[in-house]
Amino acid sequence: DTGVSQDPRHKITKRGQNVTFRCDPISEHNRLYWYRQTLGQGPEFLTYFQNEAQLEKSRLLSDRFSAERPKGSFSTLEIQRTEQGDSAMYLCASSLWEDNQPQHFGDGTRLSIL
Amino acid sequence: GQQVMQIPQYQHVQEGEDFTTYCNSSTTLSNIQWYKQRPGGHPVFLIQLVKSGEVKKQKRLTFQFGEAKKNSSLHITATQTTDVGTYFCAREDGGSQGNLIFGKGTKLSVKP
Repeated sequence: DTGVSQDPRHKITKRGQNVTFRCDPISEHNRLYWYRQTLGQGPEFLTYFQNEAQLEKSRLLSDRFSAERPKGSFSTLEIQRTEQGDSAMYLCASSLWEDNQPQHFGDGTRLSIL
Repeated sequence: GQQVMQIPQYQHVQEGEDFTTYCNSSTTLSNIQWYKQRPGGHPVFLIQLVKSGEVKKQKRLTFQFGEAKKNSSLHITATQTTDVGTYFCAREDGGSQGNLIFGKGTKLSVKP
């Protein structure tokens, strides 16, 4: 068990640019989640996959955000035309498929928009 | 989904003192999870409570789930500097499959 891996750890970009983050979950975990966390707040749910199917997306999530998990293993989160308000820590978590399973978080990707 | 409210937002204690954080919901919860996030780190799962009135212990940590399943608490006995971090409670979003709604957390600092 190598844990949930996220890449890159830090991303600094100019407003208007597109960014893509990658998450590698724990290998036997079917479920994969993306959260966003800003300073002083708890993680905020963005979207969730079971295997390759994206089953839920937060109503708060802008159309500029898209996520994929093409083979049911790693996932990518893309933000198009980044804005200042997108600056945050983007956390990925994974869990087993059964309900009520704990989520294991990666170290996150910290995005800073200049 | 409904938020979970955590109090206090911050707690500063002297090493050796006890610490308690509370988590409250306006609606009945199916379960409650607790996570700890060290400064600069990521949330780490501590425990899940499911049953009404449930009490679970992990060494110096005691977790309780209220009888009405609308509140929960985490109590740390004789805090140590290694307890520093932010403690979050999280509820499952009703109607979803495991998406968590986190409270704002209680940030604990421990003075040696």
